[in-house]
Amino acid sequence: SQWGEENLQALSIQEGEDVTMNCSYKTYTTVVHWYRQDSGRGPALIILIRSNEREKRSGRLRATLDTSSQSSSLSITAAQCEDTAVYFCATEGTGSKLSFGKGAKLTVSP
Amino acid sequence: GPKVLQIPSHQIIDMGQMVTLNCDPVSNHLYFYWYKQILGQQMEFLVNFYNGKVMEKSKLFKDQFSVERPDGSYFTLKIQPTALEDSAVYFCASSLLGGHTGQLYFGEGSKLTVL
Repeated sequence: SQWGEENLQALSIQEGEDVTMNCSYKTYTTVVHWYRQDSGRGPALIILIRSNEREKRSGRLRATLDTSSQSSSLSITAAQCEDTAVYFCATEGTGSKLSFGKGAKLTVSP
Repeated sequence: GPKVLQIPSHQIIDMGQMVTLNCDPVSNHLYFYWYKQILGQQMEFLVNFYNGKVMEKSKLFKDQFSVERPDGSYFTLKIQPTALEDSAVYFCASSLLGGHTGQLYFGEGSKLTVL
């Protein structure tokens, strides 16, 4: 498998809290994609981080990438109810293939 | 933003029948993909397609599966014959660029139920 077992997560937090989701991968990559998938919808890219960017920010999102430990994290600051979704990390393998991790189901309650 | 359209959104068929799932990718995109997702699980890569050819396929892409994009129309996934284990949501995606620069845009999925 491309992924470590710790990728399967279910997180429940209150609105306003910060949350961090982690993923680790086994196969070398130079870029990690983070997608969110709302219930009944297709995944949508929310942030992409390359190996020359240890950290990337987009609004309340912050992604990190540590190629030496083959791990990436996605943090959401001051989570809101609309952040409720499943979050996947994905790496690019050979060709143009994206391989997805198991995902983290985030539930943000009011 | 760019939209990938999938038709049908839901299809119920009997085991052994043929099914074709259709995908209308983003208009200027060059790379096309199918992924399979069983409820509550991760997205599993099936196949990618470029310049009229399959580039790479996974072990999930069984001999009963085929893809094509005739004359730049729909990018289709055909399963013939279907099996019970083919029940899943199939997501089509497209990207303008392949390799390490291509953001994938996904459709809303086609839910296939095989009885």
